[in-house]
Amino acid sequence: GENVEQHPSTLSVQEGDSAVIKCTYSDSASNYFPWYKQELGKGPQLIIDIRSNVGEKKDQRIAVTLNKTAKHFSLHITETQPEDSAVYFCAASSGSARQLTFGSGTQLTVLP
Amino acid sequence: DGGITQSPKYLFRKEGQNVTLSCEQNLNHDAMYWYRQDPGQGLRLIYYSQIVNDFQKGDIAEGYSVSREKKESFPLTVTSAQKNPTAFYLCASSMGAGITDTQYFGPGTRLTVL
Repeated sequence: GENVEQHPSTLSVQEGDSAVIKCTYSDSASNYFPWYKQELGKGPQLIIDIRSNVGEKKDQRIAVTLNKTAKHFSLHITETQPEDSAVYFCAASSGSARQLTFGSGTQLTVLP
Repeated sequence: DGGITQSPKYLFRKEGQNVTLSCEQNLNHDAMYWYRQDPGQGLRLIYYSQIVNDFQKGDIAEGYSVSREKKESFPLTVTSAQKNPTAFYLCASSMGAGITDTQYFGPGTRLTVL
């Protein structure tokens, strides 16, 4: 089955700096890659997703890049703000599995 | 308000007791899911349902049971056979069962077995 690895597990940045979180996946058939943000004690919220026919997608300060050949995808957050502090999860999904496999999460802390 | 509700937010049970976690959605979504989240780990799929009266096991279904008698509801029972039930349980739903259908999550139930 699919295996998703996520790095780093914790990340601290100064307010205004950029943050990058990386994920690798094992199933070459995977074709959908969402990113979720989870605040303390709450359920995850989708922040951005990308499909395998696209290499990059941006939404204001958030961008996701996908390298299908290397089987990795990354989340980029620019001009970080304290409210960006949360746990971020990547996930991958393939047609054969018909389900999402999640990475282990990254605790992002934005220092004021 | 449209959304997914889970109740209760916190649940305490004695070892050996079955417990049922509630999940309701008013988004008119066909598919519903249950995940388990342990500290420092990602979400792991327990069960999912693509349509009423049908459900499939996920990666960690042992010790759990579900039912899907209504489109809006997908309760999860944690049985006494689940060896380590203390965890944060998340319910999600999506419009369809396609892999690119966005999954929306509820606020979660934290279960503690004493």
